[in-house]
Amino acid sequence: AAGVIQSPRHLIKEKRETATLKCYPIPRHDTVYWYQQGPGQDPQFLISFYEKMQSDKGSIPDRFSAQQFSDYHSELNMSSLELGDSALYFCASSNQGEGWAGGYTFGSGTRLTVV
Amino acid sequence: KQEVTQIPAALSVPEGENLVLNCSFTDSAIYNLQWFRQDPGKGLTSLLLIQSSQREQTSGRLNASLDKSSGRSTLYIAASQPGDSATYLCAGANTGNQFYFGTGTSLTVIP
Repeated sequence: AAGVIQSPRHLIKEKRETATLKCYPIPRHDTVYWYQQGPGQDPQFLISFYEKMQSDKGSIPDRFSAQQFSDYHSELNMSSLELGDSALYFCASSNQGEGWAGGYTFGSGTRLTVV
Repeated sequence: KQEVTQIPAALSVPEGENLVLNCSFTDSAIYNLQWFRQDPGKGLTSLLLIQSSQREQTSGRLNASLDKSSGRSTLYIAASQPGDSATYLCAGANTGNQFYFGTGTSLTVIP
């Protein structure tokens, strides 16, 4: 079965650079969520989109922005990178039409290292 | 907002033992509760999903229960194996917009 696809798997950037992470949800899933997991920490919710509109916002820095496109894939744009942005970034998808009955499916994550 | 707590933070058991991982949440209006497994540096693998109308779910050697009134969920692992060693995370959602994760239980199964 198709899963949530994230790219790239690994990314190394220098401080003050910009990074773009991509997420392709499971087909027919209409909602995408972004999470950040720092070393030794539990995943923290950043932002979510439903039908291409932002649906919920968590602890996402102002330096980050995200959007969901017409094909439901989502991109997380991160600017002015800081060392503290080094983390594992997860994308998850679900289908709100099912009443979230299917729960979340997570991608394998993008490991971002800022040097 | 849900606050999710997991106890214990770490657990070490000999192979073959049955074990229980605990998860507590603060808001009984929970809609979904999901258990995940995470290997070091890897992604989150969904183990079991319990919807609010359900009391438990089973998959192989795993059984998860949900008691909304007491704000608790448990993950029972039968006949533990070294391959079960990982961090186990529970996450709860009120309306499905975002999951709130617990801090995880790091499980080590000793051969």
